[in-house]
Amino acid sequence: GAVVSQHPSWVICKSGTSVKIECRSLDFQATTMFWYRQFPKQSLMLMATSNEGSKATYEQGVEKDKFLINHASLTLSTLTVTSAHPEDSSFYICSASGTSDRSVYADTQYFGPGTRLTVL
Amino acid sequence: RKEVEQDPGPFNVPEGATVAFNCTYSNSASQSFFWYRQDCRKEPKLLMSVYSSGNEDGRFTAQLNRASQYISLLIRDSKLSDSATYLCVASGGDQGGKLIFGQGTELSVKP
Repeated sequence: GAVVSQHPSWVICKSGTSVKIECRSLDFQATTMFWYRQFPKQSLMLMATSNEGSKATYEQGVEKDKFLINHASLTLSTLTVTSAHPEDSSFYICSASGTSDRSVYADTQYFGPGTRLTVL
Repeated sequence: RKEVEQDPGPFNVPEGATVAFNCTYSNSASQSFFWYRQDCRKEPKLLMSVYSSGNEDGRFTAQLNRASQYISLLIRDSKLSDSATYLCVASGGDQGGKLIFGQGTELSVKP
């Protein structure tokens, strides 16, 4: 149990385009989803936290108008990188947490496999 | 100052060696601590939680010293498959459910 998927696993796009990344919890209801970014040789940095049905809470320094997060259902959150530029090239990872049931422990974050974004 | 700081790497050790990773955290309100393992170009995977009483899982032993705000991970009899980056993580307290990751320490186990 507790599987989180991300799509796509990698994407290459031209500068100025927008890219949408999906994060899905496959076998549990994710009340909270987290979006992280990881640059090479650096650690994961939390970008934002989203609760189903409400606006995301962004970390300091993360532009909410550039990184649009939607958490419309208990199994899906999306991150849209708008007008992507080469400096946005990174590894984007989501995680999900939910209430305790047979699949998950409450307050435990289950990570997706990540999406590698390259902006040319 | 980073909230979670780890030993700089990389650590290059022979198979069978014992290796220790150190980590310090700055937020005294942190309540939960973890070690994650991250393989190259993959997502982090939970290795173990860390408790004040110390805990062991096979070849892995984790320790927490709240007074010193210090966390450690000991790997005994290291295997080639232990090669990865090890991430120290803190959460809880005024951070809520957020996980605060250290920068990671890379381990390379050689034959």
